[in-house]
Amino acid sequence: SQTIHQWPATLVQPVGSPLSLECTVEGTSNPNLYWYRQAAGRGLQLLFYSVGIGQISSEVPQNLSASRPQDRQFILSSKKLLLSDSGFYLCAWSYPGTGELFFGEGSRLTVL
Amino acid sequence: KNEVEQSPQNLTAQEGEFITINCSYSVGISALHWLQQHPGGGIVSLFMLSSGKKKHGRLIATINIQEKHSSLHITASHPRDSAVYICAVRGIYGGSQGNLIFGKGTKLSVKP
Repeated sequence: SQTIHQWPATLVQPVGSPLSLECTVEGTSNPNLYWYRQAAGRGLQLLFYSVGIGQISSEVPQNLSASRPQDRQFILSSKKLLLSDSGFYLCAWSYPGTGELFFGEGSRLTVL
Repeated sequence: KNEVEQSPQNLTAQEGEFITINCSYSVGISALHWLQQHPGGGIVSLFMLSSGKKKHGRLIATINIQEKHSSLHITASHPRDSAVYICAVRGIYGGSQGNLIFGKGTKLSVKP
């Protein structure tokens, strides 16, 4: 069966520090991968998606970047965090060509 | 005006009650998703539908494409159903893969 793991679950970081959130999927090959952010009181917002290794599309210009170094690994990064980067970050995957999304457990980031 | 509107925003019910959560959208869609977000933050996909009705256990989702409206029903509600229920639509035209338009969610609390 397919599983998705995301870590760390909780992170408190000072402004200006770097960020790395990691997501891995098991039990499937060549999944589409996504990073979403959920800010307080707001709906989910797509940040990045990837249809293959090294292929990253950005939906919203911002302080974050994403990379896909391996087929089932998706990393969300920042060189210098801003206060506005605080939120709940969710990784998700889907089979290519289908719409159903499978979400990770989420990572709650607080930038102080 | 948001492209996806959910009602109510908050809902409190007694155990055993029949619950309805509504979702209206203003764009042409290829599919509509109902998601469940537990207090810890993890999200589970409940339904993906493009027409008619789907049932899974005590959950029923319906969609009326002409009226641009979907409902999620929970029969014989239970405290473990307490969660945020999120409606999301995938637009017909353009947009990136995975770029669902999300509602802000309905927070359901079922009291024993």
